[in-house]
Amino acid sequence: AQSVTQPDIHITVSEGASLELRCNYSYGATPYLFWYVQSPGQGLQLLLKYFSGDTLVQGIKGFEAEFKRSQSSFNLRKPSVHWSDAAEYFCAVGADNAGNMLTFGGGTRLMVKP
Amino acid sequence: DGGITQSPKYLFRKEGQNVTLSCEQNLNHDAMYWYRQDPGQGLRLIYYSQIVNDFQKGDIAEGYSVSREKKESFPLTVTSAQKNPTAFYLCASRPGQKNQPQHFGDGTRLSIL
Repeated sequence: AQSVTQPDIHITVSEGASLELRCNYSYGATPYLFWYVQSPGQGLQLLLKYFSGDTLVQGIKGFEAEFKRSQSSFNLRKPSVHWSDAAEYFCAVGADNAGNMLTFGGGTRLMVKP
Repeated sequence: DGGITQSPKYLFRKEGQNVTLSCEQNLNHDAMYWYRQDPGQGLRLIYYSQIVNDFQKGDIAEGYSVSREKKESFPLTVTSAQKNPTAFYLCASRPGQKNQPQHFGDGTRLSIL
């Protein structure tokens, strides 16, 4: 069975500082990997996705993530955080099989200090 | 504007009542999904449907039911058999082609009176 671990439940960074959110997955085949962001009381917005090819993927809002097969990781990064980035971030793993079911991590809540 | 519409945004249920959450999409997506989100937790899959008139159970289907009579609509009924229904419910959809992510609605928050 596939699983996703986001080790950090809460992270606080200063505005303008760099950010890295960790994601580790367990999956038997080549995974399809996603990062979503959720503002309070809202749905999830897709930040970026990895299906194949270049292991460094660029997303919206200046985010990027790197797929490292040897470490079973897909960490999310941003070089300079803005106050508007405060939200909850979810990593998910899935397969492009008939159901495309996703397994989500527990989320990381990001707080940004002025 | 194309998108996924969930209604209502807030819903209250009395003990022993069934309630139905609406999910409509005008993206012409083939597959639709229902997730449950509890505070401090990730999303868990309740049901999904890849095509009209067909659906499969997810990880936590007990106490829930769905229908898929139209491509655009995938309503979720929370039955009285669901003992802990208070949660945030999210609907998602995706195209049928490969390499396509799921897109989410804005959710419905269900509370027990």
